[in-house]
Amino acid sequence: SYVLTQPPSVSVAPGQTARISCGGDNIGGQGVHWYLQRPGQAPLLVVYDVSHRPSGIPERFSGSNSGNTATLTISRVEAGDEAVYYCQMWESESDHVVFGGGTKLTVL
Amino acid sequence: QVTLKESGPVLVKPTETLTLTCTVSGFSLTNTRIGVTWVRLPPGKALEWLAHIFSNDEKSYAPSLKNRLTISRDTSRSQVVLTVTDMDPVDTATYFCARMPAGHLDYWGQGALVTVSS
Repeated sequence: SYVLTQPPSVSVAPGQTARISCGGDNIGGQGVHWYLQRPGQAPLLVVYDVSHRPSGIPERFSGSNSGNTATLTISRVEAGDEAVYYCQMWESESDHVVFGGGTKLTVL
Repeated sequence: QVTLKESGPVLVKPTETLTLTCTVSGFSLTNTRIGVTWVRLPPGKALEWLAHIFSNDEKSYAPSLKNRLTISRDTSRSQVVLTVTDMDPVDTATYFCARMPAGHLDYWGQGALVTVSS
């Protein structure tokens, strides 16, 4: 089955830009979605279909996808952005949901 | 307003069967192109997809757990039910249900923590 690979951790200072990658074979042609999850809370959708933001998600969150890597970019990082971030896609050949292993974002 | 809420036992014994219910509101389970997915988060680990039910009642399961999972629905009660057989301590996790309109999960339940212990 399809595998999505994320770095375990990313650290960034407040006000800087965080980039979280999600690797997969030819992922560039796929719809990729991103979630953040804070401890004790349900995941929250922050970007869907590569680059669309749900209502209420700040413009600081953006996404891109090309080749074998999708990227979630968080601009002007704030302390409240500290969370675990997951990428996800729908594998249409098998009708399966696939998650990446998660990336813990630490705000220094 | 779309909501989902999981309910079920907090504690199950090894080898028992877990039954979780997801009660939804604000949308119909028979709405074309909208399905419901179950996901779990074991302590200290990553999100793991378990099962999905489509609007036409077709089902899909995670390959590694397929033999132990059953997803079903009761449209009259707006409920989606997940059963997991032969529970083991490694199945201890917070179990979430979520709505999937087009490949992504836009609304999630609050989660239900299930502990497997004798």
